[in-house]
Amino acid sequence: DAKTTQPNSMESNEEEPVHLPCNHSTISGTDYIHWYRQLPSQGPEYVIHGLTSNVNNRMASLAIAEDRKSSTLILHRATLRDAAVYYCILSSGTYKYIFGTGTRLKVLA
Amino acid sequence: NAGVTQTPKFQVLKTGQSMTLQCAQDMNHEYMSWYRQDPGMGLRLIHYSVGAGITDQGEVPNGYNVSRSTTEDFPLRLLSAAPSQTSVYFCASSFSISTDTQYFGPGTRLTVL
Repeated sequence: DAKTTQPNSMESNEEEPVHLPCNHSTISGTDYIHWYRQLPSQGPEYVIHGLTSNVNNRMASLAIAEDRKSSTLILHRATLRDAAVYYCILSSGTYKYIFGTGTRLKVLA
Repeated sequence: NAGVTQTPKFQVLKTGQSMTLQCAQDMNHEYMSWYRQDPGMGLRLIHYSVGAGITDQGEVPNGYNVSRSTTEDFPLRLLSAAPSQTSVYFCASSFSISTDTQYFGPGTRLTVL
């Protein structure tokens, strides 16, 4: 199963953009890149996903490298409510959705 | 829609006891899965199902059984609880695994003494 690598933690100031990186050098051509986040004491919630092209939605943007070996989740203006653990996940053809340990984002007021 | 519901929210068991964690979804999703999350860790896949009557093992299946008799329900059975199974358990569902959003339940916090 394809693996992802993320920094353990990051900090950001409130109202500033945040770029959360993810490396997935063993990604296969059919793997989608998903991002989820987990707020304290809650289940994970969907943020965004993509295959090859950059994606935008109301929550965030996803920038995917041309070789697809890395991606970056962009929160355009971090708020205190964005403090969470962010997971980068590859969906594999074997139906196994493998979470890593994620990046804990701390937002400073 | 209620989304994904899990019962109970909290449970305390003694070593050796068995129990079933319930998971239900009302979105007609084919794919359902169970994860466990230990303190300070990411989620680990226990079992998953791609439709009624079809289940398969995830990363950490030992000590757990599942079955899927209906599209809506995907119960997780602990056969003989051990302290190592103390964890928070999350159920999730989606239309498909590759392209669709997974919806997670609120979790069941299980303590095994």
